[in-house]
Amino acid sequence: QVHLQESGPGLVKPSQTLSLTCTVSGGSISSGSFFWSWIRQPAGKGLEWIGRVFISGDTKYNPSLNSRVTISVDTSNNQFSLRLNSVTAADTAVYYCAREAVAVAALDYWGQGALVTVSS
Amino acid sequence: DIQMTQSPSSVSASVGDRVTITCRATQHISTWLAWYQQKPGKAPKLLISDASRLQSGVPSRFSGSGSGTDFTLTISSLQPEDFATYYCQQANTFPFTFGPGTKVDL
Repeated sequence: QVHLQESGPGLVKPSQTLSLTCTVSGGSISSGSFFWSWIRQPAGKGLEWIGRVFISGDTKYNPSLNSRVTISVDTSNNQFSLRLNSVTAADTAVYYCAREAVAVAALDYWGQGALVTVSS
Repeated sequence: DIQMTQSPSSVSASVGDRVTITCRATQHISTWLAWYQQKPGKAPKLLISDASRLQSGVPSRFSGSGSGTDFTLTISSLQPEDFATYYCQQANTFPFTFGPGTKVDL
């Protein structure tokens, strides 16, 4: 059974960088059958797709965040990461990591979510 | 970006009711559409991919249909554990986008 777990600081100051890591267990992140994705959800609101990375390092980002976001993969630790620069209060949200199966183009496994608050 | 709309935004229903949720895309997305169920404080759960493909372990009372721009999620007989918010998501064009959600409550 695949399991994803987000980790990282729960509080980030405005203008600083939000960094989260997703640890994958129960399967190899090096499989060529999956993309590894980040999605966020502000409190009481809907879901926003942030972007994804493939094992090759190829990435796709949401243009609304494109200049501030980096998603990378660490095969040695079976992890992938999110970095979001120059954060503001508008970036306060629950951040989810998820697996997207290439064959179905849908997010079939999700982490439990990590609340990140941007505040001084 | 492709905008996704859902209707209704909320629906009040009873156990045993048939519930239908509609999702519409602003551009043709073939069948690149998924449906998710989210309960409070939990991550979304994938119910249906490719517009109509039921995921393993998802009860058969859930079904999806549609192609192009108009899609439907149907719960044939609502069960107590189905009270949740449902989201559609298109995977045809970057950035992937979600609908605003439909809350199904008692």
